Amino acid sequence: DVHLVESGGALIQPGGSLRLSCATSGFTFNTYTMGWVRQAPGKGLEWVSDIWTGGSRTYYADSVKGRFIVSRDTSGNTLYLQMNSLRAEDTAIYYCARAGSKSWYDFWGQGTLVTVSS
Amino acid sequence: DMQMTQSPASLSASVGDSVTFTCRASRDIRNDLAWYQQKAGKAPSLLIYDASTLQSGAPSRFSGSGSGTYFTFTISGLQPEDVATYYCQNYDDAPLTFGGGTKVEI
Repeated sequence: DVHLVESGGALIQPGGSLRLSCATSGFTFNTYTMGWVRQAPGKGLEWVSDIWTGGSRTYYADSVKGRFIVSRDTSGNTLYLQMNSLRAEDTAIYYCARAGSKSWYDFWGQGTLVTVSS
Repeated sequence: DMQMTQSPASLSASVGDSVTFTCRASRDIRNDLAWYQQKAGKAPSLLIYDASTLQSGAPSRFSGSGSGTYFTFTISGLQPEDVATYYCQNYDDAPLTFGGGTKVEI
């Protein structure tokens, strides 16, 4: 079975940094594009970032470009999201997701909550 | 900027009804569209990709159609467990974009 488990969410002050992790199992991690999607409290889904196999290409939403960095550790089957210069509007549940043959997301984690507040 | 516009924002129907809602893209996305279901407090789950292909394991009462800029999603025979918010998403090119969602209630 495919499993995605996020961790690293926390209460963090504006301007701070945080790294989210997504531990994966049940599939060949290095053959899939992976992504991050977030959801602010009571709001809809917002795509954050994608990373292709081997980290060959990365893509970001304009709202996080220059502040967030997505990476992957093939040996550990883990996806990461380094979040810097955090703002109140980054407060959200962050989901990691596996992409299908194109960038639809066929498996999702349960999410981890990031709260940016002083 | 890419926009994905879903309508209506919410709807209420009875068990057994067929319900249809729409997603419009601000540019031609061919058939690079997915539909997701999100139940309260849960992660989203994929129902449809490539505009009309049913994801493995998804109930056959869910269907999608459309191409280009106009897409529809239909639940044929609404069930109590279908209460959820449904989102469309384009994936033809970055940035990927989700629609604002359609909340379905019984």
